[in-house]
Amino acid sequence: EPEVTQTPSHQVTQMGQEVILRCVPISNHLYFYWYRQILGQKVEFLVSFYNNEISEKSEIFDDQFSVERPDGSNFTLKIRSTKLEDSAMYFCASSEAPWANTEAFFGQGTRLTVV
Amino acid sequence: DAKTTQPTSMDCAEGRAANLPCNHSTISGNEYVYWYRQIHSQGPQYIIHGLKNNETNEMASLIITEDRKSSTLILPHATLRDTAVYYCIVRLRNRDDKIIFGKGTRLHILP
Repeated sequence: EPEVTQTPSHQVTQMGQEVILRCVPISNHLYFYWYRQILGQKVEFLVSFYNNEISEKSEIFDDQFSVERPDGSNFTLKIRSTKLEDSAMYFCASSEAPWANTEAFFGQGTRLTVV
Repeated sequence: DAKTTQPTSMDCAEGRAANLPCNHSTISGNEYVYWYRQIHSQGPQYIIHGLKNNETNEMASLIITEDRKSSTLILPHATLRDTAVYYCIVRLRNRDDKIIFGKGTRLHILP
């Protein structure tokens, strides 16, 4: 079964450093998403991406965040200057079509720890 | 906020059917009901979705009431591996991409 792959599985970074979280969506999927989950809390939407541009973003996705599809297979989330409160699991997801039309597949996540 | 209401937690004996309820009293005619689950901090996993007819796949069955204001996810023969948080989500078709996860139901399968 095809799957969404995320690397690394765990990233530790110092506060103020930049981090890039990487995702390889399923190959024929067109819609890509990032979510995060702070320990013990809900899964929160960050951003959706289609046709090389952001479709929608939440209030969490401020100027410190950016997304990119640099080479047609990878989908990355960059946090420019990490804060302690950015520590969370970050999930990438992809789907053939917008959410309500088809199912979305999630990766296993990257655990980001900011120290 | 999520448009659904689910119990915070439920228990079910291994081998029995697990019936997870969801209320979505404000659902509109073209909104779908989706179910996802999250096993211990893994990525959410799609289970099933439906509009108004009951649906069944290899994982579960989805029963939607005639007025569509509530639904039940049924795991027919629960195993320990079904222990997870189950999310009931209502979404419009052909609308924006954002999906909102609520707190879900934490299902404990008891040996």
